[in-house]
Amino acid sequence: GAGVSQTPSNKVTEKGKYVELRCDPISGHTALYWYRQSLGQGPEFLIYFQGTGAADDSGLPNDRFFAVRPEGSVSTLKIQRTERGDSAVYLCASSLQGNAETQYFGPGTRLLVL
Amino acid sequence: KQEVTQIPAALSVPEGENLVLNCSFTDSAIYNLQWFRQDPGKGLTSLLLIQSSQREQTSGRLNASLDKSSGRSTLYIAASQPGDSATYLCAVISNSGYALNFGKGTSLLVTP
Repeated sequence: GAGVSQTPSNKVTEKGKYVELRCDPISGHTALYWYRQSLGQGPEFLIYFQGTGAADDSGLPNDRFFAVRPEGSVSTLKIQRTERGDSAVYLCASSLQGNAETQYFGPGTRLLVL
Repeated sequence: KQEVTQIPAALSVPEGENLVLNCSFTDSAIYNLQWFRQDPGKGLTSLLLIQSSQREQTSGRLNASLDKSSGRSTLYIAASQPGDSATYLCAVISNSGYALNFGKGTSLLVTP
């Protein structure tokens, strides 16, 4: 069975541009999470989806960040007007039901904003 | 706000040694605690999950303990091997939400 996949694996963009990062969770997992990991730090929570809805988006740093999961499977994290400080590894995870169980992580997307 | 601290930040040991990684958290109201492994440039691999009602979990050469009241967990690695070299991350899910709160990790190097 396939694990969590994320595309692209690497993304280089210029300051001010718009980027989309994609996450394909494990089939059948209703819960999906986005985290951001800066160099030398642990991952920080961004947003949690239960099905199609964002159950907790308290970790999104500002309104330039937005995420969707329209059919309850694939999710897209969207960043508008990128800034150099957005450079980080963006990690996606999924779990079966979201009841504080094991979260399975994808390999991440490394975003570099020049 | 939950704060997770891992000590030491880095550790280098010769192959074959037993070792202990430490994790502490400030809010004891947690659902569970997880230990992850992260290889350079890779995602996270879950090693062990300890529910708040449990005191320890074992998988192969790994043993994780949890003392919820004191806000501490340890990851014990027996007979370390060079393939164990990686960053080990501790994370808790607090009763206030579903988000994992991570420490900064311990970077482990096992030398042949």
